[in-house]
Amino acid sequence: DAKTTQPNSMESNEEEPVHLPCNHSTISGTDYIHWYRQLPSQGPEYVIHGLTSNVNNRMASLAIAEDRKSSTLILHRATLRDAAVYYCTHGTGGYQKVTFGIGTKLQVIP
Amino acid sequence: DVKVTQSSRYLVKRTGEKVFLECVQDMDHENMFWYRQDPGLGLRLIYFSYDVKMKEKGDIPEGYSVSREKKERFSLILESASTNQTSMYLCASARDTSGNTIYFGEGSWLTVV
Repeated sequence: DAKTTQPNSMESNEEEPVHLPCNHSTISGTDYIHWYRQLPSQGPEYVIHGLTSNVNNRMASLAIAEDRKSSTLILHRATLRDAAVYYCTHGTGGYQKVTFGIGTKLQVIP
Repeated sequence: DVKVTQSSRYLVKRTGEKVFLECVQDMDHENMFWYRQDPGLGLRLIYFSYDVKMKEKGDIPEGYSVSREKKERFSLILESASTNQTSMYLCASARDTSGNTIYFGEGSWLTVV
């Protein structure tokens, strides 16, 4: 089964960059790495995904280690609206079972 | 826009009742999932389905069953609800789960009294 390890919580000051780490040592060669975030009282929403190369979109950047066993979600300038629980995940198994861990609760300090 | 719709946002049921949680997606996705979410435990996978009438157990299937008679609909069934099944339940779907995004519903808050 796919297992990921993330810190339980992190803090950031508003308008400063945030680096959220994730270890995924069981990742297979064809698994994409996905990041989601969950705002209070809502379902998780997609943030970004990648395979091997670093990726950028309007929400965040994703840095993937060369061995793919870890990745880092980068929020370039944290805002109060970025306060959420962030999950990293990857698909694995014959039927692509996807599991989520506890995630990292990000607190943004004004 | 992509949409996963869970039929009930809030439910209160009595111990021993049979409970149905319904989920519909409009994206023609093959894969559908049911998770439960509890404080400090994150999202835990209950069941998933990779095709009509096909299902696989997740990490915590005990006390639950599922039904997928049509591609767009995935139902979670609590045969005899118990208080320890009080939780938030999240439905999700994905075309495949390697390179494609998983889309979640808003969640269903179930209280069993």
